[in-house]
Amino acid sequence: KAGVTQTPRYLIKTRGQQVTLSCSPISGHRSVSWYQQTPGQGLQFLFEYFSETQRNKGNFPGRFSGRQFSNSRSEMNVSTLELGDSALYLCASSLTGGDGYTFGSGTRLTVV
Amino acid sequence: DAKTTQPTSMDCAEGRAANLPCNHSTISGNEYVYWYRQIHSQGPQYIIHGLKNNETNEMASLIITEDRKSSTLILPHATLRDTAVYYCIVRVVVGGATNKLIFGTGTLLAVQP
Repeated sequence: KAGVTQTPRYLIKTRGQQVTLSCSPISGHRSVSWYQQTPGQGLQFLFEYFSETQRNKGNFPGRFSGRQFSNSRSEMNVSTLELGDSALYLCASSLTGGDGYTFGSGTRLTVV
Repeated sequence: DAKTTQPTSMDCAEGRAANLPCNHSTISGNEYVYWYRQIHSQGPQYIIHGLKNNETNEMASLIITEDRKSSTLILPHATLRDTAVYYCIVRVVVGGATNKLIFGTGTLLAVQP
C-alpha cells in the first residue's frame, strides 16, 4: 500500500511569506500528526488532527496552523515566515492516533 | 519534555548484535515504549513497541525490565544500513484519545565495517 506522501519535498521561501505543506496519509488512516525537525531542537510535535478536528497542539506560535479534510488529507500553514522556521516538516499518520505511526519523507523548508 | 534518556552515540561492528539502552524511570503503567529510527534526512521509521513483555519482530527485539524503568533495543546482526539515529519514546496520551510522540535526542548508532 502507498505510504504517507508529503508535498512538496523541498521549498524555498522568503522571510515574511507564508507557506502551505500537504500530507496524504495512508489510505484508511484518520489521524495525521505534524512534526518539525531542526538541528537545534530536534523533533518537536506541532499538532494532531483526527476526523477533521485538531485534537492536540504543541508549543508553537499561532503562525503555525493546520487543517484536515474529509478524505483525511492534511495541510499545515506557516504565515509570516521567519528564518528560524527553516526545518524538515514531517507528517505521520495512524489509524486512530492510538496505534503505530507511519512517517512521510518530509518537506524541507528553507527560509531566506 | 522528553521522558527518556539515551546515550548520545554508540558504535557496533557489522554482523554483531547492537544493544541500545534507554531509561524511562517515570513511565506510567499504561504507557508504551516505542522505538523509531531515522536515517539521515528521511522520516522516522517504526521499529517495535511494547508495554511490559519482551517483544520481537523481524527487525529487532525489545527487552523491558520488570520494573519498566528501562529497556534495551537489540538488533541481532547489525549491518551498515542500520546506521541511524534511534529514538526511544514513551507514548504520551493527552486528553484521553489523543496521542503524541515526544522525541528525545536519540542515539546515533554507527555500524562499522
